Amino acid sequence: AQSVTQLGSHVSVSEGALVLLRCNYSSSVPPYLFWYVQYPNQGLQLLLKYTTGATLVKGINGFEAEFKKSETSFHLTKPSAHMSDAAEYFCAVRVNYGGSQGNLIFGKGTKLSVKP
Amino acid sequence: DAGVTQSPTHLIKTRGQQVTLRCSPISGHKSVSWYQQVLGQGPQFIFQYYEKEERGRGNFPDRFSARQFPNYSSELNVNALLLGDSALYLCASSLGTGRLRWNTEAFFGQGTRLTVV
Repeated sequence: AQSVTQLGSHVSVSEGALVLLRCNYSSSVPPYLFWYVQYPNQGLQLLLKYTTGATLVKGINGFEAEFKKSETSFHLTKPSAHMSDAAEYFCAVRVNYGGSQGNLIFGKGTKLSVKP
Repeated sequence: DAGVTQSPTHLIKTRGQQVTLRCSPISGHKSVSWYQQVLGQGPQFIFQYYEKEERGRGNFPDRFSARQFPNYSSELNVNALLLGDSALYLCASSLGTGRLRWNTEAFFGQGTRLTVV
């Protein structure tokens, strides 16, 4: 079975500080991994994705994530937080077998707060 | 270009009633998936449709059903509503399925907030 675990339901950083949101995955086959952002009362917006190739993936709004197979991790980082980054962030893995093939399994989410 | 559009945006229903939620995918997208997001949780996969056929189903009871129309729009139906069905229902569209599925990005709509009282 495939799954993702997001460590920390709530992360608070100061404006300008490093953002680090943690995601670990479980998959018996090479995973396709995604980070989505959700602003209040909004749908999900794709930040970045890892499928194959380069393990350091750059996304929108200055975010990036590194796929580390040895650690089964796909942590999301941003060097300098901005107030507009306050939102909920979801890590997801794409299902690659069975009846739900092609769809996404999401973590429980991490709410990011940015203090002025 | 319009993104994924869902209607209605908000809905209040009584236990035992039935509800229909609607989704229009991005123009040119042939695949539509439905997700349920309960407050404080990540979205959970309900259904995927491609070319009017069900291509995937999550772990939801038979009270949940869906269909896709020739124009690729979709409806999600929930019968005999329970309080626990209160959630944000998200629709996602993507270009297609098959061998292209793995590199096909899913675009999400803003969701329908369903409250069951």
